[in-house]
Amino acid sequence: DTAVSQTPKYLVTQMGNDKSIKCEQNLGHDTMYWYKQDSKKFLKIMFSYNNKELIINETVPNRFSPKSPDKAHLNLHINSLELGDSAVYFCASSRPGLAVYNEQFFGPGTRLTVL
Amino acid sequence: GQSLEQPSEVTAVEGAIVQINCTYQTSGFYGLSWYQQHDGGAPTFLSYNALDGLEETGRFSSFLSRSDSYGYLLLQELQMKDSASYFCAPNNYGQNFVFGPGTRLSVLP
Repeated sequence: DTAVSQTPKYLVTQMGNDKSIKCEQNLGHDTMYWYKQDSKKFLKIMFSYNNKELIINETVPNRFSPKSPDKAHLNLHINSLELGDSAVYFCASSRPGLAVYNEQFFGPGTRLTVL
Repeated sequence: GQSLEQPSEVTAVEGAIVQINCTYQTSGFYGLSWYQQHDGGAPTFLSYNALDGLEETGRFSSFLSRSDSYGYLLLQELQMKDSASYFCAPNNYGQNFVFGPGTRLSVLP
């Protein structure tokens, strides 16, 4: 059974379009995250939700909007896509924030290419 | 603010030992995690140090010195499959969501 799953795995789209990436975890974790990994492999946190509530919202353009319908799902919607949005987007989950070491479990990633 | 430093690349041969260093500046520090990421794959958790000293897990060990804000990952008996990127990530106030720039390890035959 896949612990953290994301769809789609690949997404190729034109500038200006709107797209969504879905994430689901079956680990029973309360905290979920979205990361962006650029071509130089820098892994940067975008958002974190704990039990459906937004707890981290880094400096991200407001074209990016996360939505958590329940604590097992955290989707990412991106409006008006730009070339610079091309990257790999990872969803992750972990046990509650005050856990001893807060190991994160990552999804397989979504490679977004904006043309 | 926070800062993390790791070497960008390390190369070693099969069977060798390699050490990947990480220096950090952060507040609310609880401990240091290490993650491995193969090309095209997702980061996966390797180890965590909450206390100073060496933690050993098979061929991989991780070390932490809180007073020096420094840690390292030690990989022994290197195998080709260890070729990957390795990220350190400090655990701040119970969360770690800031990852180092990553060290790309190439293992040569």
